[in-house]
Amino acid sequence: DAGITQSPRHKVTETGTPVTLRCHQTENHRYMYWYRQDPGHGLRLIHYSYGVKDTDKGEVSDGYSVSRSKTEDFLLTLESATSSQTSVYFCAISEGGGPAVFGPGTRLTVL
Amino acid sequence: KQEVTQIPAALSVPEGENLVLNCSFTDSAIYNLQWFRQDPGKGLTSLLLIQSSQREQTSGRLNASLDKSSGRSTLYIAASQPGDSATYLCAPSNDYKLSFGAGTTVTVRA
Repeated sequence: DAGITQSPRHKVTETGTPVTLRCHQTENHRYMYWYRQDPGHGLRLIHYSYGVKDTDKGEVSDGYSVSRSKTEDFLLTLESATSSQTSVYFCAISEGGGPAVFGPGTRLTVL
Repeated sequence: KQEVTQIPAALSVPEGENLVLNCSFTDSAIYNLQWFRQDPGKGLTSLLLIQSSQREQTSGRLNASLDKSSGRSTLYIAASQPGDSATYLCAPSNDYKLSFGAGTTVTVRA
C-alpha cells in the first residue's frame, strides 16, 4: 500500500477552537486532497494541492484552510470549529492520472 | 459540477450470484474513473482504475466497463462471496479531482 498517514485519527474538540489535521505521504506524489464524508452526502472535496504552495478550493471549502510547505505534508485547518464540521476527514494522494490512494481517515467531533 | 449517481443504493444477494453495480456521471470530460470499496468505519480501498481511453479493466473476479460518451460505468463482480459485502463507490476524475457518488451498499448472504 502507498505510504499515507493521517493524524490524529480521532479528535474531540469544542466549538470555536482551532483544529489542524495532518496528512503525510512518503510517495512523493504531486497531488494531495482533503475530503469529508458525511451520511447522506458521500465524499466531498474540501481543498486540494497540485504542488508545494499550490492549493485550490473544492466544493465545500468554507471554514477550512490548507497549507503545503513540503511535498509530503498537507495540513487542513479549521480556524474556528463548528458542530457542522463534525465529520470523517480523508486525505488522498495521486500522481495525476494514476490511481488515488486514500488515508485511514480522521474522525472529528465538535461539541 | 460533476454529478455522480449510483444505482441501486443497496443490494442483497445470495452467495455465488453475480453482482452488477451501475454508475452514471454528467460530465463526460473525465480523465479516468476509479472504483473503490469501503467497509463500515474504514477507509477507501481502490479496486480498479479505468483510463478514459479504455473500455474495460479487469482484476480477478472484478470487471469494470466505461462508456465515456454516455457517462456510464458498470462494475461486475463474479461469483459473489460474503467477504464482498461492503459499500462500492464510483469516482470519475475531472482535472485530477475525484467526484463521488453515494455508493452502492452490497450484502452477500451466506
